[in-house]
Amino acid sequence: GIQVEQSPPDLILQEGANSTLRCNFSDSVNNLQWFHQNPWGQLINLFYIPSGTKQNGRLSATTVATERYSLLYISSSQTTDSGVYFCAVGNGGGSNYKLTFGKGTLLTVNP
Amino acid sequence: SAVISQKPSRDICQRGTSLTIQCQVDSQVTMMFWYRQQPGQSLTLIATANQGSEATYESGFVIDKFPISRPNLTFSTLTVSNMSPEDSSIYLCSGGGHSANTGELFFGEGSRLTVL
Repeated sequence: GIQVEQSPPDLILQEGANSTLRCNFSDSVNNLQWFHQNPWGQLINLFYIPSGTKQNGRLSATTVATERYSLLYISSSQTTDSGVYFCAVGNGGGSNYKLTFGKGTLLTVNP
Repeated sequence: SAVISQKPSRDICQRGTSLTIQCQVDSQVTMMFWYRQQPGQSLTLIATANQGSEATYESGFVIDKFPISRPNLTFSTLTVSNMSPEDSSIYLCSGGGHSANTGELFFGEGSRLTVL
């Protein structure tokens, strides 16, 4: 099956700093999502981005499908950004939305 | 987007018992999935819940241990059978395909099970 690698595994920032999280995948994909899992375990959808670039407030994401990677940018980080960030990919056909998750990046933002 | 509700949100169970988790979506979705997240780990797909037919299980997961039902396009259940402490995990329901032009998946808040 498809392999998903995320880096770095852990990241500690001071409030206000910027960061870039990376997701590499081993095969072509037609589905890629970034999630934030908050300390209570809830998975929050950040981006659905199988290709291209999107921005939502302080967060943006870019997927270069031909080179099999995606980047998540967090600017002016806040303590509420803390948690685990997951990249998940899929390459099913038709209406198959099955996702394979990376191991995640644990982000800690200190005040 | 789709809003997905799960219950129970958490439970403490005794070894050898079974527990059924319910998942309700606020709109019809094409696909529903069940994932498991063991402590400190990533999410692993258990199975695809197929409407009106048997679920499709991933390698390492079997129907006798994790029976799944999906009677319609908005509801599914996962049962964790004959539980052992190794089954202590967060179980997450997900759904997608309610919009024709996106493969985006949405997740419930998870059901955190502790088996003693």
